[in-house]
Amino acid sequence: QVQLQESGPGLVKPSGTLSLTCAVSGDSISSHYWWNWVRQSPRKGLEWIGEIHHSGSINYNPSLKSRVTILADKSRNQFSLKLTSVTAADTAVYFCARKGVEAPCRFDSWGQGTLVTVSS
Amino acid sequence: DIQMTQSPSSLSASVGDRVTITCRASRSISTSLNWYQQKPGKAPNLLIYGASSLQGGVPSRFSGSGSGTDFTLTINSLQPEDFATYYCQQGDSTPSFGQGTKLEIK
Repeated sequence: QVQLQESGPGLVKPSGTLSLTCAVSGDSISSHYWWNWVRQSPRKGLEWIGEIHHSGSINYNPSLKSRVTILADKSRNQFSLKLTSVTAADTAVYFCARKGVEAPCRFDSWGQGTLVTVSS
Repeated sequence: DIQMTQSPSSLSASVGDRVTITCRASRSISTSLNWYQQKPGKAPNLLIYGASSLQGGVPSRFSGSGSGTDFTLTINSLQPEDFATYYCQQGDSTPSFGQGTKLEIK
């Protein structure tokens, strides 16, 4: 059974860069799935951030695209998220999730989530 | 962007009740609609995909229907563990979620 685990700093300063990693076990990030980041805040609810496929394809939410980078590390079977120029509005619980390629696309496995607070 | 609107935002019900939650898309998404259950402090859990297909391991008291822009999630014979928040999510284009429906014990 696939397991995903987020890790990274829980506190980031305004204008700084948020960096998170998702370690995957029980599946390979080189499999046919897409590997996603989703965040949740009281203000915006659940918000999809972006995804990466082992083929090198990457998709980002247009509303965040200018600030987001998602990378994959196949040797460590993990993928990462970087979000630059953060503000208080980026305070949220960040989840990593697996999404299948078969239609309809759905998130069938999730990490437990990690709270990131943007504050000085 | 496709906007997803759920109703009601909250709902009170009793164990054994049948409840229905609705989700409306801002444009047609065929049957590219998924439902998730989320409990406090936990990640969302996939219940229904493709509007009406039950995810493996999900009890059969959960069912989904709809196509185009209007969808429903029905829970028959509510159990204590069903009190949670439910979200719809469209998979037709850039993924987006409804704002959630909190199901509370009456």
